[in-house]
Amino acid sequence: GAGVSQTPSNKVTEKGKYVELRCDPISGHTALYWYRQSLGQGPEFLIYFQGTGAADDSGLPNDRFFAVRPEGSVSTLKIQRTERGDSAVYLCASSPLGGQNTGELFFGEGSRLTVL
Amino acid sequence: AQTVTQSQPEMSVQEAETVTLSCTYDTSESDYYLFWYKQPPSRQMILVIRQEAYKQQNATENRFSVNFQKAAKSFSLKISDSQLGDAAMYFCAYKRGATNKLIFGTGTLLAVQP
Repeated sequence: GAGVSQTPSNKVTEKGKYVELRCDPISGHTALYWYRQSLGQGPEFLIYFQGTGAADDSGLPNDRFFAVRPEGSVSTLKIQRTERGDSAVYLCASSPLGGQNTGELFFGEGSRLTVL
Repeated sequence: AQTVTQSQPEMSVQEAETVTLSCTYDTSESDYYLFWYKQPPSRQMILVIRQEAYKQQNATENRFSVNFQKAAKSFSLKISDSQLGDAAMYFCAYKRGATNKLIFGTGTLLAVQP
């Protein structure tokens, strides 16, 4: 498809389990972002990749959260020892090299994570 | 730290009428961008309109326009000739020029009445 693709669309897990969320950005977009959107809130920045490297991971809440983008395209957000407070919609976005300066991000439909 | 405030949790407008969504922000920076994003029930955020802080002219995109008051740090969105498809959550967002982070407000849920 032409847009940002995120899988799974919905994920229900138990407290303490490990979760992986995948993002496939628009082809050719070098910048990739993860945001977390809790119920009733706006999205909050988690991490930004430029190519394969994490250029800014200052939004990751703690060391249970980790993200990779090994080949500069698909990215995986990994959450260890999930907690109920991790329940949220995790949004991925991408932008072309110039787009990062104008702020226009192209978002996926998000992965809704529910931790029971 | 920069903040973005949307004081209207919900708004309603009649089809074909005009509605204005409010947003204020706080920053000490001079180089920044402001945005309005739309989030329909599908959850996919879509850029509606963008304003560069250095531009005095208010941005316009078809039925969507902004009222950018830099001194007052206000950035409202006006939707003219509202359509049923405009119903969605609208988020105001801020980006400092040198960074790649968007800071979002808490959103305004817009309902369009037929």
